[in-house]
Amino acid sequence: DTGVSQDPRHKITKRGQNVTFRCDPISEHNRLYWYRQTLGQGPEFLTYFQNEAQLEKSRLLSDRFSAERPKGSFSTLEIQRTEQGDSAMYLCATTGPRSWYGYTFGSGTRLTVV
Amino acid sequence: AQTVTQSQPEMSVQEAETVTLSCTYDTSESDYYLFWYKQPPSRQMILVIRQEAYKQQNATENRFSVNFQKAAKSFSLKISDSQLGDAAMYFCAFREGAQKLVFGQGTRLTINP
Repeated sequence: DTGVSQDPRHKITKRGQNVTFRCDPISEHNRLYWYRQTLGQGPEFLTYFQNEAQLEKSRLLSDRFSAERPKGSFSTLEIQRTEQGDSAMYLCATTGPRSWYGYTFGSGTRLTVV
Repeated sequence: AQTVTQSQPEMSVQEAETVTLSCTYDTSESDYYLFWYKQPPSRQMILVIRQEAYKQQNATENRFSVNFQKAAKSFSLKISDSQLGDAAMYFCAFREGAQKLVFGQGTRLTINP
């Protein structure tokens, strides 16, 4: 297990369609975070899980967004009725018991809504 | 709410020279962690260096070092002997305890050969 894996790497969708992204964490990492990053900006926090429990959601996470982490393993982020403003890089990051060491990030999923 | 400010949207440096990237943050807490992350073009974010607020000694990782000024809430990154591979977006990030990372806006670093 060499890192955090995100799938797909790129997604192009038409406005109004639903999309789902997946993140597979490092196996011993119990905390999993989703961030959104627009071009030239820093990542913005969306939500975070400790094991299977979703502990915090940002106000950026409208009711069109939902995230799950069944059994505390992989996580999915779903966006319903996509809008052009949803176009961004969606980053997953995980951390383990020694969380002060920082996060390990995945390569991200780049979403383009046309 | 915690905020992180990077006042330099872009910086450039000649190869082999030294460059310093600035970061300030705002918090009322005394115990927290600070990080610098590097994001090369189209590649994933990687940790460059970290600093615990309770440690007075500045962190160093090979050519990378920080100047942590707790009273001033400043956390700058110094890159010595700059290399072409250092070209990237650099993000300063702040974290309290087990909470989320809060990122700055980033500084795009260009290395001139």
